[in-house]
Amino acid sequence: GAGVSQSPSNKVTEKGKDVELRCDPISGHTALYWYRQSLGQGLEFLIYFQGNSAPDKSGLPSDRFSAERTGGSVSTLTIQRTQQEDSAVYLCASSIRLAGGTDTQYFGPGTRLTVL
Amino acid sequence: GNSVTQMEGPVTLSEEAFLTINCTYTATGYPSLFWYVQYPGEGLQLLLKATKADDKGSNKGFEATYRKETTSFHLEKGSVQVSDSAVYFCALRGKGGYSTLTFGKGTMLLVSP
Repeated sequence: GAGVSQSPSNKVTEKGKDVELRCDPISGHTALYWYRQSLGQGLEFLIYFQGNSAPDKSGLPSDRFSAERTGGSVSTLTIQRTQQEDSAVYLCASSIRLAGGTDTQYFGPGTRLTVL
Repeated sequence: GNSVTQMEGPVTLSEEAFLTINCTYTATGYPSLFWYVQYPGEGLQLLLKATKADDKGSNKGFEATYRKETTSFHLEKGSVQVSDSAVYFCALRGKGGYSTLTFGKGTMLLVSP
């Protein structure tokens, strides 16, 4: 596809269950980012991938959150033992790394997670 | 650390009114500055950007000038349309190596006919 895609678009789960959110970046984009958009909190950075490695995981809120990326393409964000405060829209973005760090991040439509 | 402060919304305007959404930032060095827009039911889209002091970003009639002396990047449009109703996010990215985006909390704009 032409843009960043994410699935599912909506996910409703029960407290304590695990969820997996998927991001398909733009073809050829080596950098991939996960953000979380919560009501009243704005957009928070979660994790950044360059290729398959994650040099910056500083935004992950707890050890219940993890992410991986395979083949330098698709990424999965996993939340274990979900809590109600995990309810948010999870956004993925990708960029092509240019010299000097002048790349633009392109965002997917997001996955709206609701934890009951 | 880096931070971005935007005026709180919602901002409510009539069509053809002048728009200003204030944005100020705190960062070490000279960051790149961005405005993203999120239309109802859609994902974030880059609206405009500026990568160095005194640069002016512009797109779709919107403008913002990178003011280092006031650490600001205010968004302006001379005549808003109903279709401009959306949430606008100011963001910065630090220079060097890689750096993620730091966003403001967003400002909702509502334009009535």
